[in-house]
Amino acid sequence: RKEVEQDPGPFNVPEGATVAFNCTYSNSASQSFFWYRQDCRKEPKLLMSVYSSGNEDGRFTAQLNRASQYISLLIRDSKLSDSATYLCVSQRDTGRRALTFGSGTRLQVQP
Amino acid sequence: GAVVSQHPSWVICKSGTSVKIECRSLDFQATTMFWYRQFPKQSLMLMATSNEGSKATYEQGVEKDKFLINHASLTLSTLTVTSAHPEDSSFYICSARDNLAQSSYNEQFFGPGTRLTVL
Repeated sequence: RKEVEQDPGPFNVPEGATVAFNCTYSNSASQSFFWYRQDCRKEPKLLMSVYSSGNEDGRFTAQLNRASQYISLLIRDSKLSDSATYLCVSQRDTGRRALTFGSGTRLQVQP
Repeated sequence: GAVVSQHPSWVICKSGTSVKIECRSLDFQATTMFWYRQFPKQSLMLMATSNEGSKATYEQGVEKDKFLINHASLTLSTLTVTSAHPEDSSFYICSARDNLAQSSYNEQFFGPGTRLTVL
């Protein structure tokens, strides 16, 4: 079983739609979580951190449920520029603090 | 955010040759750098953790004699793919962490990646 699992998609949505991505993690030692965005043939870029209390950054809302080891990302009012692959990422707070990436969820926003 | 560069951005080589990839932190010092590999339509997989002044730590299944890592300074780590074969063709990405940053989670900054094609 992968340490971080995501639905690969693709999610094809019209502009203005609201779309939600889910992610589960299996390692209870993971303490920090993030959503990264990766455009085709580019490096991943940090979108936002994820906190248990939930956090919002403009049109993006992230949520963490530690009890069920579940992470979500909600995108409201989708833009064409949101088309990308969204990577769910966990990090252990001890040791090397390496990141563990999910395989990503592909989003395609259509005009 | 902090800037990490990688060189070259892409390379094509013949089977059996060695390829060196450089990762530099341009405006901060990084005692730790990470090397990832990403095959098409797959996730980034951590290959090794590069530690300045000491030996790298390799993930299970990654051959340390094939993927040589050197981290001789606080701003430079190199990954050398020795005797490259077509199955080594992949997107290699490094990241660096600013250990002196006050950030609570020590954000990692990614280089732009190196696309290796072995013929």
